[in-house]
Amino acid sequence: DAMVIQNPRYQVTQFGKPVTLSCSQTLNHNVMYWYQQKSSQAPKLLFHYYDKDFNNEADTPDNFQSRRPNTSFCFLDIRSPGLGDAAMYLCATSFRPLPTDTQYFGPGTRLTVL
Amino acid sequence: AQSVTQLDSQVPVFEEAPVELRCNYSSSVSVYLFWYVQYPNQGLQLLLKYLSGSTLVKGINGFEAEFNKSQTSFHLRKPSVHISDTAEYFCAVSSGAGGTSYGKLTFGQGTILTVHP
Repeated sequence: DAMVIQNPRYQVTQFGKPVTLSCSQTLNHNVMYWYQQKSSQAPKLLFHYYDKDFNNEADTPDNFQSRRPNTSFCFLDIRSPGLGDAAMYLCATSFRPLPTDTQYFGPGTRLTVL
Repeated sequence: AQSVTQLDSQVPVFEEAPVELRCNYSSSVSVYLFWYVQYPNQGLQLLLKYLSGSTLVKGINGFEAEFNKSQTSFHLRKPSVHISDTAEYFCAVSSGAGGTSYGKLTFGQGTILTVHP
């Protein structure tokens, strides 16, 4: 089955220690998104890639970076995690960057910062 | 700017009872509306979406939603719920604006539906 895969499902890191979360997809979609979902809150878009074009949301902290080395993979790098960065991180994909296109979500990575 | 308000943070119901999860949105341009479901420790799964045309939209698992432009609402309904419907439900909007707004989903805070036997 075509799907969106996130690894690891659970990640524990220490305050200030860089961490990388991974997302891969077999849907061959052109767009990949990263959302942050804090406890009991709505998912919030951090940034997205349309092919190799990177689009950052205006209020995404500089601490968050992303890489997309090829169509299938996208990484979320948190350079110096703070306690406030503990959250579920959701990766999603869509075929086109259009408001009408369905976004398909992975299972998420739950990040704990000690 | 677009926003979504889900009016109930938690909705408890008994099995086989009907349920309505309420969602109101605001946007200055044309909108497209979505309902997603999130089961524990899983990602979001699309239930249904409204793009245009008939205001009554049918989705998976027996859910339906009605788009009401005058009331800026997109409430989700199911006539008879099952234990397996216990999950968190998110209403989301995307707009027809250009630039970085394309493809951007703005979510509501979520409604936790708990179905009791």
